[in-house]
Amino acid sequence: AQSVTQLGSHVSVSEGALVLLRCNYSSSVPPYLFWYVQYPNQGLQLLLKYTTGATLVKGINGFEAEFKKSETSFHLTKPSAHMSDAAEYFCAVSDQGTNAGKSTFGDGTTLTVKP
Amino acid sequence: NAGVMQNPRHLVRRRGQEARLRCSPMKGHSHVYWYRQLPEEGLKFMVYLQKENIIDESGMPKERFSAEFPKEGPSILRIQQVVRGDSAAYFCASSTSNLHQETQYFGPGTRLLVL
Repeated sequence: AQSVTQLGSHVSVSEGALVLLRCNYSSSVPPYLFWYVQYPNQGLQLLLKYTTGATLVKGINGFEAEFKKSETSFHLTKPSAHMSDAAEYFCAVSDQGTNAGKSTFGDGTTLTVKP
Repeated sequence: NAGVMQNPRHLVRRRGQEARLRCSPMKGHSHVYWYRQLPEEGLKFMVYLQKENIIDESGMPKERFSAEFPKEGPSILRIQQVVRGDSAAYFCASSTSNLHQETQYFGPGTRLLVL
């Protein structure tokens, strides 16, 4: 069984500050990990994903995430927040034995960016 | 290339009525996934379909819910005799395959409200 915990349902940062959204997962087999962003009244857009290889993954809009197996974490970061980053962010996990559609999602973190 | 289309975007039904949600995948995509998102929660997998076949419906409620993806036309998620607990956002996603390397593209969702 897989699970995802996103620490902090709401995160607020100032424009230009570091963004850190936390995600911890559990999986009985090596995981595939994803971060998605959802803007109001829209669907999810893939920010980045980890499948195999390099543990530091770079995504769109300046975001990156690092897979840390020992900590079962896949935290999302961005060095400098922009107003347009305000959205809801979802971490998801699926294992290598199942198809990608059966990802398990966290409950989401709402990011607010203050001017 | 148009993205994933879902209609209607908003649907209001009274208890006991039927709800039909439509999803047109991106051109060239033959894999469709349906998810449900309850308020303040992440997405929950419902069903995975390929053209004319249900591949995995492990996330679908056993009663009142059904899905299809005919050879021609959109994928349909059908909810019979809706109840208030069915109120949620329903998203579909499509991909060219079920491999983790393939990105899933999400539609904007259908927000169902059951009165």
